[in-house]
Amino acid sequence: DAGITQSPRHKVTETGTPVTLRCHQTENHRYMYWYRQDPGHGLRLIHYSYGVKDTDKGEVSDGYSVSRSKTEDFLLTLESATSSQTSVYFCAISDRSGRTDTQYFGPGTRLTVL
Amino acid sequence: GESVGLHLPTLSVQEGDNSIINCAYSNSASDYFIWYKQESGKGPQFIIDIRSNMDKRQGQRVTVLLNKTVKHLSLQIAATQPGDSAVYFCAEKGSARQLTFGSGTQLTVLP
Repeated sequence: DAGITQSPRHKVTETGTPVTLRCHQTENHRYMYWYRQDPGHGLRLIHYSYGVKDTDKGEVSDGYSVSRSKTEDFLLTLESATSSQTSVYFCAISDRSGRTDTQYFGPGTRLTVL
Repeated sequence: GESVGLHLPTLSVQEGDNSIINCAYSNSASDYFIWYKQESGKGPQFIIDIRSNMDKRQGQRVTVLLNKTVKHLSLQIAATQPGDSAVYFCAEKGSARQLTFGSGTQLTVLP
């Protein structure tokens, strides 16, 4: 894995509780992304960041917020978790060095909302 | 090939044979494509990429072919090994500069 860690790796929570997932990178890449992966769907973009304090929404951003206070950390928060947010969440990074936009992924966090 | 249905397309090959995994992409303006491999319980792993100004690119045991006329991408794996068993999916980058991912093909390598 390209110097990306996610924590926690597994979490079970109850409907209505807040949840924060953390992505940490050691590659000093400018771009960071949060995706969710569900059966029958490809990876879907939730939010992404193009620099410290610079974030934007993705395809499925409702119910999620993000923050990036340092280059290496990108947090995903579910303010009030719902069962529809049960999923596997992946963080990705990219340096968009001009030639390619290859994204490298972390190991994922499996979240279950009861 | 790729599908957005509930069940992944599957491909079973004998160990040592070549594998071909297909992907139909949607956006004719896409200019960059990536193949990823995802093993059970792990994050997607970059395999190979190709820009739209190319129609073929080779890596170690893998080749990606791009046919822009029919918006088709394929991944060829030579001499498939048990460690190649995984879900493979393609991604395309369109004008929005974000990647759009297919849902994947499950490759099973038979002994």
